[in-house]
Amino acid sequence: AQTVTQSQPEMSVQEAETVTLSCTYDTSENNYYLFWYKQPPSRQMILVIRQEAYKQQNATENRFSVNFQKAAKSFSLKISDSQLGDTAMYFCAFMKPNAGGTSYGKLTFGQGTILTVHP
Amino acid sequence: DTAVSQTPKYLVTQMGNDKSIKCEQNLGHDTMYWYKQDSKKFLKIMFSYNNKELIINETVPNRFSPKSPDKAHLNLHINSLELGDSAVYFCASSQDTRAADSPLHFGNGTRLTVT
Repeated sequence: AQTVTQSQPEMSVQEAETVTLSCTYDTSENNYYLFWYKQPPSRQMILVIRQEAYKQQNATENRFSVNFQKAAKSFSLKISDSQLGDTAMYFCAFMKPNAGGTSYGKLTFGQGTILTVHP
Repeated sequence: DTAVSQTPKYLVTQMGNDKSIKCEQNLGHDTMYWYKQDSKKFLKIMFSYNNKELIINETVPNRFSPKSPDKAHLNLHINSLELGDSAVYFCASSQDTRAADSPLHFGNGTRLTVT
């Protein structure tokens, strides 16, 4: 079974600075997908960024980028120019498709990292 | 317009009661899900439905019975509520079951408290 580990329970950063959240995972699969989700105090789960394991290029979405190290099974999230609205719990998640490419929406989540952005 | 909406937002009830949580998505997606987030914020899938058919049941007690009257709705009924059922329940949807093209869209969650 796959596992996802986020070793930083809490992180803090000053507004406008850069912060990196860590995530490691364990799998014997070669084809899979990785995600970062954000859960602000409003409780909604918001997709931040997605990475396909077969793509070597790191995904980016505006101020959010990942450092995907497949051999090391590491998938960290970098937030640049941090904003107060980035304050949230961040979850790393793993999804493994079967041979037919289906996954049935089964995400395996890490424990989450609480990020606080200070003014 | 809210893409995935759940009602109620909060639910407080006593042990032994039966309660339902409703979910609707207006994204035209084929696949819907229920996830549970426990008190430690750990999220785990409970059920997956594709075109109203159950495709995943992650060893959830049979006190939990999802029902999908159509592709846009997936309701969760819980019988004989127990203290351990207290959690936040998230509904989600995706275009279909393919991992490549179907990121999950989550609702805002329903916080269930069993006293």
